[in-house]
Amino acid sequence: AQSVAQPEDQVNVAEGNPLTVKCTYSVSGNPYLFWYVQYPNRGLQFLLKYITGDNLVKGSYGFEAEFNKSQTSFHLKKPSALVSDSALYFCAVRDIGDKIIFGKGTRLHILP
Amino acid sequence: GAVVSQHPSRVICKSGTSVKIECRSLDFQATTMFWYRQFPKQSLMLMATSNEGSKATYEQGVEKDKFLINHASLTLSTLTVTSAHPEDSSFYICSARDWGATGELFFGEGSRLTVL
Repeated sequence: AQSVAQPEDQVNVAEGNPLTVKCTYSVSGNPYLFWYVQYPNRGLQFLLKYITGDNLVKGSYGFEAEFNKSQTSFHLKKPSALVSDSALYFCAVRDIGDKIIFGKGTRLHILP
Repeated sequence: GAVVSQHPSRVICKSGTSVKIECRSLDFQATTMFWYRQFPKQSLMLMATSNEGSKATYEQGVEKDKFLINHASLTLSTLTVTSAHPEDSSFYICSARDWGATGELFFGEGSRLTVL
């Protein structure tokens, strides 16, 4: 089965600094990878996805992610963090039957 | 963009009662919807795949008699938590894929169930 791992429970970044939220994947075949964001007591919002093509994927709200096949990683990045970026971020992978399997999530705190 | 609506957003019920949560795709048809459960400070656990016009497919360890799923139309799936107990208290989220447009998976806003 496909899976993703998010090694960090929490990431703290000062406002204006670049941020990275890590994700590694384990898949058989070509990976379909996603990043979602969740604000308190809300559903998930889609940020970006990688299916094929360029390794650098640009998404919503200035976020981007880099697909690295050799390192089996799909880290989420943003050049300059905003306080409003503080939220819970999920890396996810598409499994058989069109199911989406999520990582455990990483809580991002942007410090003013 | 496509919208998935869940209702109710919050529900409090007494132990032993049943609670129904609705998931609607507002501007697209969804032959398949997914139900997730999220425990506090934890990830989303896929509970089942809801298939329009047929039985839901449950993930291992999910009690199908406890969590009844009905997908009677192309825009509506319902999750009924039967004989709810405090351990069923959780945040339930549904999702549906808009194959007609972008193919993206959209999530509802979630329903927080509290069983007293």
